[in-house]
Amino acid sequence: NAGVTQTPKFRILKIGQSMTLQCAQDMNHNYMYWYRQDPGMGLKLIYYSVGAGITDKGEVPNGYNVSRSTTEDFPLRLELAAPSQTSVYFCASSYGLDYRDRGVGEQYFGPGTRLTVT
Amino acid sequence: ELKVEQNPLFLSMQEGKNYTIYCNYSTTSDRLYWYRQDPGKSLESLFVLLSNGAVKQEGRLMASLDTKARLSTLHITAAVHDLSATYFCAVDGGGSQGNLIFGKGTKLSVKP
Repeated sequence: NAGVTQTPKFRILKIGQSMTLQCAQDMNHNYMYWYRQDPGMGLKLIYYSVGAGITDKGEVPNGYNVSRSTTEDFPLRLELAAPSQTSVYFCASSYGLDYRDRGVGEQYFGPGTRLTVT
Repeated sequence: ELKVEQNPLFLSMQEGKNYTIYCNYSTTSDRLYWYRQDPGKSLESLFVLLSNGAVKQEGRLMASLDTKARLSTLHITAAVHDLSATYFCAVDGGGSQGNLIFGKGTKLSVKP
């Protein structure tokens, strides 16, 4: 198993450009997440998905969009990049609901994408 | 709003010493996770604590959870240089989405 993979590893964008961060997992996980990590901070949730075709906003969704057409893939789209979006982006996945009908929670993280917007 | 606080945020310790990292959270949760992050790397799952009183140990690290006090600890025994990393605790955010609320992390530096 490759686990959670992300591309690209690094990217520099100019203000106003757009791009898509790719994320894929081969563990057949239902739940997938996008986080951003700013220097000296923990991770903040951008968007999440509980299954193909279902997505929802997290804590910091502004300036981003997601789609989930398959179980495996969960791309993150940045439209009109701004310097405030300079960050490291992590994709994660987990099994999903447990017997108490709640998220299992243990998440497996991809290697990250380091994005700089100038 | 669920908040997660770790302390200390920075910890410099000598090899062979013991120390404890604390993780407090603000609302009821019975699931807590510890992750390790090396510089420029991703997060690696260390411990999953799923109930009050849970204790898990792996090598020189031991994690515990007290849900009544809303407190988890990560205890380091006889530290070695290889343990130098940033350690994050994360709490189940509640609801059905399974998202995690992270602390800011504790940057540990173990010196010879």
